[in-house]
Amino acid sequence: GIQVEQSPPDLILQEGANSTLRCNFSDSVNNLQWFHQNPWGQLINLFYIPSGTKQNGRLSATTVATERYSLLYISSSQTTDSGVYFCAVVPFYGGATNKLIFGTGTLLAVQP
Amino acid sequence: KAGVTQTPRYLIKTRGQQVTLSCSPISGHRSVSWYQQTPGQGLQFLFEYFSETQRNKGNFPGRFSGRQFSNSRSEMNVSTLELGDSALYLCASNLGVADSQETQYFGPGTRLLVL
Repeated sequence: GIQVEQSPPDLILQEGANSTLRCNFSDSVNNLQWFHQNPWGQLINLFYIPSGTKQNGRLSATTVATERYSLLYISSSQTTDSGVYFCAVVPFYGGATNKLIFGTGTLLAVQP
Repeated sequence: KAGVTQTPRYLIKTRGQQVTLSCSPISGHRSVSWYQQTPGQGLQFLFEYFSETQRNKGNFPGRFSGRQFSNSRSEMNVSTLELGDSALYLCASNLGVADSQETQYFGPGTRLLVL
């Protein structure tokens, strides 16, 4: 099956710094989403981005589908950005399904 | 619109018992999926329901089952609980009309502890 790898596994930043999180996937995808898991466990939608570039405030994301990777950029990081960031995909050949395959996540800690 | 809701939020059970978790999707959403999150295995897909039919199933034993009602609310049941079933169970919903090309929205989860 499709493999989803995220890097780095852990990241420590000082408040105000910028960061780039990467998601590599091993096959074509129909769906790619980025999530932030808050301390209570809820997955917060950041982007639906199977291809192209999107921006939302200090966050932006780019997916290069032909090269099978996606990047999440966080600028001017704040302590509230801390948590785990997940990339999740639905394989192109998965058929009529919403089954998301998750990466292992990037644990981000932003220090004041 | 209200988001995806899950009940209960926390649950403590003992080995051998059974448990039922509930998920109410966003109004108008017809697809509901369930995921299990554990420190060792990460986030894993359990099953997906669409229009009261199971459309896809993950690699979990038969002790894990689910169903969906005509109002799209879904329940999952775990019978004969084992210690390893302790996890955060997450439910997600979407419209279900674009065959995988839609944003999925997650609920707050149910934390299950099996003693």
